Amino acid sequence: GNSVTQMEGPVTLSEEAFLTINCTYTATGYPSLFWYVQYPGEGLQLLLKATKADDKGSNKGFEATYRKETTSFHLEKGSVQVSDSAVYFCALSSYGNNRLAFGKGNQVVVIP
Amino acid sequence: GAVVSQHPSRVICKSGTSVKIECRSLDFQATTMFWYRQFPKQSLMLMATSNEGSKATYEQGVEKDKFLINHASLTLSTLTVTSAHPEDSSFYICSARPQPKGVNTGELFFGEGSRLTVL
Repeated sequence: GNSVTQMEGPVTLSEEAFLTINCTYTATGYPSLFWYVQYPGEGLQLLLKATKADDKGSNKGFEATYRKETTSFHLEKGSVQVSDSAVYFCALSSYGNNRLAFGKGNQVVVIP
Repeated sequence: GAVVSQHPSRVICKSGTSVKIECRSLDFQATTMFWYRQFPKQSLMLMATSNEGSKATYEQGVEKDKFLINHASLTLSTLTVTSAHPEDSSFYICSARPQPKGVNTGELFFGEGSRLTVL
């Protein structure tokens, strides 16, 4: 079945630091991949997506590249801000499948 | 982008009472909506898939008599937690996908969530 694995534990870093959150997946077929962000007290918002191998999703300075050979979709941002503090979820959806499979999420805390 | 709205955003109720949470797609029609439950510091757990005009499909381990789902129109789905108990306290989130146009990429739009506290 489909599954998503995110790196363990919260991430704490200083403002303007480089952020990487690892995400690997297991899926049948050719899934679409997503990163969702959840700010405190709010629902999830789509941050970026990629629908086929080698696609790069980008938004608000965040990027992630769909790597079929390593089954990965790591999230990166070159210079984080305090406002980026949130929980980030990696997710996938198989072609024609309504259902999203989520990773456990990573709490990111950016310190001024 | 597409907007999904949930109401209420927070609700506190006494044990034994029932609580209804609404999920509306404001600017698109959704034949399918999804209800999730999120425990503190954990990922979203899919509870059920709500289909307009038909019965919801529940995930394994989710009590359908406990969590009643109704999808009466293409823009509204409701989740009713019946005879709520403290262990039902959680963050409930709905999502919806616009009616498909072309290739289905699986993109979903999420409501802002409803925090239920059962005393």
